[in-house]
Amino acid sequence: DTAVSQTPKYLVTQMGNDKSIKCEQNLGHDTMYWYKQDSKKFLKIMFSYNNKELIINETVPNRFSPKSPDKAHLNLHINSLELGDSAVYFCASSPAGGLADTQYFGPGTRLTVL
Amino acid sequence: GEDVEQSLFLSVREGDSSVINCTYTDSSSTYLYWYKQEPGAGLQLLTYIFSNMDMKQDQRLTVLLNKKDKHLSLRIADTQTGDSAIYFCAESIGQAGTALIFGKGTTLSVSS
Repeated sequence: DTAVSQTPKYLVTQMGNDKSIKCEQNLGHDTMYWYKQDSKKFLKIMFSYNNKELIINETVPNRFSPKSPDKAHLNLHINSLELGDSAVYFCASSPAGGLADTQYFGPGTRLTVL
Repeated sequence: GEDVEQSLFLSVREGDSSVINCTYTDSSSTYLYWYKQEPGAGLQLLTYIFSNMDMKQDQRLTVLLNKKDKHLSLRIADTQTGDSAIYFCAESIGQAGTALIFGKGTTLSVSS
């Protein structure tokens, strides 16, 4: 009964490829997020969706495109992968996305671009 | 812009208390959080504090908030080797879909 799950856990791919990371939450939350953690462990928000609508889109290259088919899923598609995209990507969800909400994180997807 | 600062490393002996400090810049932050990340694992929420509180205690964890100085600390009593991890301070900002702004994380190393 995993709350926030991500697939795959590890992803190794060549530069220039296109890949997707999937995220699902079974908590009934309205808001989902993608965070990126780089090799120095710095965590930064990339996107957030509230009820399938994009709310936050930080300065992220447009090679990254989040897609939310329903409010329980937020997938991250990355085109033309670059070496600098290597990182751990965390999905998170929160009940309504307000200031009082706690965010619950998935286990992370470690992306390695060769 | 918003910024959250933490010291990067802390080393303690088993049984001692650990104190991890954090400063933040956004005075409109309503909630402040502490997350723990064990090696190779995801982020686990440890505790959080509402900005109108000064202190919150939860078993071995004590959170102190000095809103005037925008300073947050996490004290772990009787630190164990299993507490070795990276501890992230985070503040919440914005409206619906609000993101967390994380500090760079403090690596806590506990020696026996």
